[in-house]
Amino acid sequence: AQSVTQPDIHITVSEGASLELRCNYSYGATPYLFWYVQSPGQGLQLLLKYFSGDTLVQGIKGFEAEFKRSQSSFNLRKPSVHWSDAAEYFCAVGAAGGSYIPTFGRGTSLIVHP
Amino acid sequence: DTEVTQTPKHLVMGMTNKKSLKCEQHMGHRAMYWYKQKAKKPPELMFVYSYEKLSINESVPSRFSPECPNSSLLNLHLHALQPEDSALYLCASSHEERPGDEQFFGPGTRLTVL
Repeated sequence: AQSVTQPDIHITVSEGASLELRCNYSYGATPYLFWYVQSPGQGLQLLLKYFSGDTLVQGIKGFEAEFKRSQSSFNLRKPSVHWSDAAEYFCAVGAAGGSYIPTFGRGTSLIVHP
Repeated sequence: DTEVTQTPKHLVMGMTNKKSLKCEQHMGHRAMYWYKQKAKKPPELMFVYSYEKLSINESVPSRFSPECPNSSLLNLHLHALQPEDSALYLCASSHEERPGDEQFFGPGTRLTVL
């Protein structure tokens, strides 16, 4: 079974600063990896996903993520954070075969200071 | 149309009431999902419908009863709920029930059980 860990419950950054949110996964083969964002009181929106190919993935809203097999990581980055990026961020892993049950990490809450 | 709509936005119900949550998508997606999300927690999968047939039931209590009347609609019927069932209920859809398919989420229904 797959699992995903987001070690940081909260991250606080200043507006304009760079951002990195950590995600580590556990799965025997290459998983499908996703980053979702959830603004308060809203549903989840997909930022980007990875399964194969270039390990640096570009997403919406200026986000990117890098898949590192050796570290079982899929960290999310943004070079310059905007106040509107304040939200909950979820990393998720999907199995590449069999019954599909997406597994979400516990989430990281991003706080942006002006 | 790349939107998943959910009604109502908010619902307050007593433990003896019967109510229904509705979800609709017009993207031609053949997989639809119900999730339950408590505050500051990741979404928990409840049910998956694939081609209008229930394919996954994550051991959800029988007081929650899903229904998929057609490929665009998904309902969640509620009866004799408990206060601990208060949560944000999210609906999602994807092209099919496959690991790499992006899930599109609705804004959710905020349910309060008194």
